[in-house]
Amino acid sequence: AQSVTQLDSQVPVFEEAPVELRCNYSSSVSVYLFWYVQYPNQGLQLLLKYLSGSTLVESINGFEAEFNKSQTSFHLRKPSVHISDTAEYFCAVSERGSQGNLIFGKGTKLSVKP
Amino acid sequence: GAVVSQHPSWVICKSGTSVKIECRSLDFQATTMFWYRQFPKQSLMLMATSNEGSKATYEQGVEKDKFLINHASLTLSTLTVTSAHPEDSSFYICSAPPGGAGDGSPLHFGNGTRLTVT
Repeated sequence: AQSVTQLDSQVPVFEEAPVELRCNYSSSVSVYLFWYVQYPNQGLQLLLKYLSGSTLVESINGFEAEFNKSQTSFHLRKPSVHISDTAEYFCAVSERGSQGNLIFGKGTKLSVKP
Repeated sequence: GAVVSQHPSWVICKSGTSVKIECRSLDFQATTMFWYRQFPKQSLMLMATSNEGSKATYEQGVEKDKFLINHASLTLSTLTVTSAHPEDSSFYICSAPPGGAGDGSPLHFGNGTRLTVT
């Protein structure tokens, strides 16, 4: 079975500051890794994913995440956040070869303040 | 592409009534759809896996007679909350993988349904 741990339930930062949202996972099999973002009362939007290959993956809006197999981590980073980045961020894994269902972490609420 | 439409976006119903939530894949076929439930300020918990042409697979602790799932076609899955009670109030979200199952295709999510049972 897989599990996902997001160590920080809330992360307050000031605009233009860097941010890191931490994610660690546990699995006995190979997994795919994802970050999703959720705005209030909305569904989830894919931010980025790691399937294979380069361990550093980037999104179109400046976020990046690095897969670290030895530390079983997939931390999300952004060098300079905007007010519009305020949202809930979920780290998730799915087992390779499964039907594709995701196991989610508990989420991290990112609050960007002016 | 790969849009999942969920309807309604919110619903208020009286205790004891049933509510149907629809989830449609608009531009791809989905043999599998997933139904999640999200409690306030908590993560998403998988409730069940909906399979076109066969019975849904429910996660442990989810009452299949209460949460009826019907995957009627390759583009439509429905979740019916039967005899709803206030404790069923929650945010329900459906999702589907646009690619083949298990190939890493990221799930695409509907916008969710906010159910409030009074």
